[in-house]
Amino acid sequence: DQQVKQNSPSLSVQEGRISILNCDYTNSMFDYFLWYKKYPAEGPTFLISISSIKDKNEDGRFTVFLNKSAKHLSLHIVPSQPGDSAVYFCAASNSGGTSYGKLTFGQGTILTVHP
Amino acid sequence: DAGVIQSPRHEVTEMGQEVTLRCKPISGHDYLFWYRQTMMRGLELLIYFNNNVPIDDSGMPEDRFSAKMPNASFSTLKIQPSEPRDSAVYFCASSWDSSGPQHFGDGTRLSIL
Repeated sequence: DQQVKQNSPSLSVQEGRISILNCDYTNSMFDYFLWYKKYPAEGPTFLISISSIKDKNEDGRFTVFLNKSAKHLSLHIVPSQPGDSAVYFCAASNSGGTSYGKLTFGQGTILTVHP
Repeated sequence: DAGVIQSPRHEVTEMGQEVTLRCKPISGHDYLFWYRQTMMRGLELLIYFNNNVPIDDSGMPEDRFSAKMPNASFSTLKIQPSEPRDSAVYFCASSWDSSGPQHFGDGTRLSIL
């Protein structure tokens, strides 16, 4: 049962343009969402997060949007740079549940930014 | 400031052998997590600890898997006996609280022949 889904296995974008990565979830108890970036042979690196009390969080070139009614979140990267090429994972947790701290990850989206 | 340190980075062993993966979390982090990444199942949580105590081990696939955290700066994940289907990348992560972002090590790539 895939509670967090990233339906696009890959995304290709031109340098300078916007990259939009999408994520859907099914568990309505999730209230905290994160995006991680992963380069080959390295562990995932935390990028940005959002609590369910917000619908937007911004950090430099990265913005995460949350639509609770649609159970959907997206990560916008503007402008995209070749160094952003990596696998992006969406993750979710239920901060008030008995398994607090437990993250459920999506399958990941491979982003390629072309010069 | 050192990040999460995992060893070994690569392990190749024969089926039936015992495998021990090691993790040193970031100092001051009270939570430690073990994940497994495979092509089929993606990144899945195996077990996590809070203040050295296992909180949720529902992701541990079988009794062949065990994890310990004898102190705040060290944890092990053991597979005994190992099987080819255990081949995967195993990640350790730590965080300072339950809702904070987790910091990952670079993983151990395990191959069971």
